[in-house]
Formats: sequence, structure tokens, C-alpha cells
Amino acid sequence: ETGVTQSPTHLIKTRGQQVTLRCSSQSGHNTVSWYQQALGQGPQFIFQYYREEENGRGNFPPRFSGLQFPNYSSELNVNALELDDSALYLCASSPRTGASTDTQYFGPGTRLTVL
Amino acid sequence: AQKVTQAQTEISVVEKEDVTLDCVYETRDTTYYLFWYKQPPSGELVFLIRRNSFDEQNEISGRYSWNFQKSTSSFNFTITASQVVDSAVYFCARMDSSYKLIFGSGTRLLVRP
Repeated sequence: ETGVTQSPTHLIKTRGQQVTLRCSSQSGHNTVSWYQQALGQGPQFIFQYYREEENGRGNFPPRFSGLQFPNYSSELNVNALELDDSALYLCASSPRTGASTDTQYFGPGTRLTVL
Repeated sequence: AQKVTQAQTEISVVEKEDVTLDCVYETRDTTYYLFWYKQPPSGELVFLIRRNSFDEQNEISGRYSWNFQKSTSSFNFTITASQVVDSAVYFCARMDSSYKLIFGSGTRLLVRP
């Protein structure tokens, strides 16, 4: 069984640029959630996708957007990058079945540095 | 805000000592789920345990044990006979009704040889 994978591992961008981060969910999982983890802090929820539709959003501006594809992989797009966007971006997948099996399994993350 | 509090920022112990990581949560939900994750230096969050609000039975898995007490809204994590490989940041989290995880600020555990 393949776990959650993310690409790229590291990324360096400059202020004002746009970035796309990618995530492949674990086999059999239909839900993907994205989190931002600033240095020394706990992860903060950005948004979640369930069966290709956004299903909940955290306190992030509209320049943070996402997509989920029919194979349940997902993208996180951030426009007009700001210095404060520098963080580890974590993707998690889960098998949303409506039962008590909604544990989220995380990928290794993408570390984004904005200069 | 219904938050998760991990008051211990950093703990340092010597190998083979027992250590307990504290977690206190807030919620108005009657059904909720609590989690512990481990984050080694590589950055990936590793799932350790999930607990449902209607199951207060404590759990033991090898050297790890968890104590869930609804009366005090706590979900503490104990590592028995700690090892250097246990060094990591540990996060407690609560899942709300919208399936998002609300994390605490984490406790950095350093196990010295």
C-alpha cells in the first residue's frame, strides 16, 4: 500500500510569485486535507477536498486555492506569495466513509521558502 | 475558540526514564476524536493513536500508553523507558465535526543517551 506522497520536497520562491504543490493520496482514500505549519508551531488547517469538492476551509485568504482530481490526488495553489507563506505544507489523506475511520495520514510535506 | 493546549513546550529526559506529555482540549461537541502524532526531524507527521469520545478506556501499545479523562478534558501520552529514537515533536489534536484537525502547539521531547 502506497502512502501519501508530496512534491516537490523543497521549493524557493520570491514574493509575488505563484506556487503549486502536489499531493497523491493513499490508496483507497477519497479525502485530502492541506495544512500549513510555520516554524515552531502546530499545523493549521487550510482546506479539505472530498470527492473533488472543497469541504471546509480554514482561516486562509482566497489566494490559497486547491483542486482535487478524479484519482483523488490534489493540488494546493498559492498566488501572490508573501514572506509569511514560508512554511512546511502538509497534505493528509483519509478514507471518509462516515464511520469512525477518519484518521488522517500525512505525507512528508513540502517546505516552501519565500524570499 | 475550541483549542488544544500542550503546556509543555520542551521536555528533556535521560534514556530509560518515563515521560508524560500533557494534552488538554476544549470542545462543545458530544462526539469527537482525539489524536496523537509524532513529528521527527524529517517533518512527516506519524499517526500514533486515535481515541473516540465515547471510549474512555486507556490504551497501551508497547512502551506507549494513553490516558483519556473526559472529566478533566485531558488526553495524556506516556512513554515508558524512553529511547533516543523517541526524540521528536509530539502533537495532540482534536477532530471537529467538519473533519478538520485542530492541533496543539506541540511538545518537543529530547531523550539524551
